[in-house]
Amino acid sequence: EAGVTQFPSHSVIEKGQTVTLRCDPISGHDNLYWYRRVMGKEIKFLLHFVKESKQDESGMPNNRFLAERTGGTYSTLKVQPAELEDSGVYFCASSRQRRTNTGELFFGEGSRLTVL
Amino acid sequence: DAKTTQPNSMESNEEEPVHLPCNHSTISGTDYIHWYRQLPSQGPEYVIHGLTSNVNNRMASLAIAEDRKSSTLILHRATLRDAAVYYCISVRSGGSNYKLTFGKGTLLTVNP
Repeated sequence: EAGVTQFPSHSVIEKGQTVTLRCDPISGHDNLYWYRRVMGKEIKFLLHFVKESKQDESGMPNNRFLAERTGGTYSTLKVQPAELEDSGVYFCASSRQRRTNTGELFFGEGSRLTVL
Repeated sequence: DAKTTQPNSMESNEEEPVHLPCNHSTISGTDYIHWYRQLPSQGPEYVIHGLTSNVNNRMASLAIAEDRKSSTLILHRATLRDAAVYYCISVRSGGSNYKLTFGKGTLLTVNP
């Protein structure tokens, strides 16, 4: 079974440009999450999809970030326009279970974003 | 979710057991304790979770104190591959959102 796949593994862009990160969850996993770690900080929750619906987007930092999950399969996270403070590693995770406390999240290896 | 406290770092020798402590004195009766770890340049990886009873799986054991205010992740025989940051996370029960709150974790160094 393939794991969570993220693309690109590393993206370098200039301030003001746009970047789109993609996440392919494990097949059959309805729950998809985005997390990120910015430089020197802890890993923080961004948002949670159940199928194609946003269940919780309380962690999204501002309206420059847009997450979509069309058709309930893969998800994209677009940053437009990118700022220097957006640099960090963006992790995607998926899970099958609806109830949170009994299951595990499967994380991808992350997409490193560098904004110059 | 209850706040957890872990040592910043620990060191172990290869093939020796490792006990990673976690304090969660404000945990509620239905909060689960989850452990994840993050190897260098990888995403977090689930290790184990439990509620009240001690738990074992192929990766580790989790010993939960009777009062649930602390727990210990046990790696029975550390290998070099176990060098990672280990996160102890409390997860509120009954929710439909798996919003993990990562702290700084414990950086485990394994010496050959």
